Amino acid sequence: DAEITQSPRHKITETGRQVTLACHQTWNHNNMFWYRQDLGHGLRLIHYSYGVHDTNKGEVSDGYSVSRSNTEDLPLTLESAASSQTSVYFCASSEIAKNIQYFGAGTRLSVL
Amino acid sequence: GESVGLHLPTLSVQEGDNSIINCAYSNSASDYFIWYKQESGKGPQFIIDIRSNMDKRQGQRVTVLLNKTVKHLSLQIAATQPGDSAVYFCAENSNYQLIWGAGTKLIIKP
Repeated sequence: DAEITQSPRHKITETGRQVTLACHQTWNHNNMFWYRQDLGHGLRLIHYSYGVHDTNKGEVSDGYSVSRSNTEDLPLTLESAASSQTSVYFCASSEIAKNIQYFGAGTRLSVL
Repeated sequence: GESVGLHLPTLSVQEGDNSIINCAYSNSASDYFIWYKQESGKGPQFIIDIRSNMDKRQGQRVTVLLNKTVKHLSLQIAATQPGDSAVYFCAENSNYQLIWGAGTKLIIKP
């Protein structure tokens, strides 16, 4: 069955370190998204991509970067982790010109 | 700016009763709305959607109502079950991106 997987599920890191969160989908979806979820804020968009080599900044992109070298993967990199980036991160994908997004199980990141 | 919000952060409902979760939106130009369910420790899961040219849409045990006059959206869950315990999010579409509300936690009382 097609799916979207995130890894790792849990990560603890130190302030200042570079961290990369993986997202892999097997639906062959063009669109991929990264969100962070904090209590009281719902889901906030970090970066998104509408296809290979396409990346765009979302509402809360500072301190994060993404790259899209193939259809299946959109890794999220924290260049220099900060305590404010402690959060749960969700990756999602959707078909081209479709609104319904399908989510991974999330990565819980703690920056100490 | 655009925003989507929920009236009640927590809703407690007796098992078997109907649940109504409300959502307000501010962008009158929004043409598409969607509801997601998020269970503890999991990612959001699509429940139902509705386009702005509709007032009502029904799914299995769920109904979404859209009132464009007052920019209000609601999700009705019939005969609420323990498995319905979750946080429910409404979101509106903006250029194939979703703008999310803060969520409502639905608690089922036995």
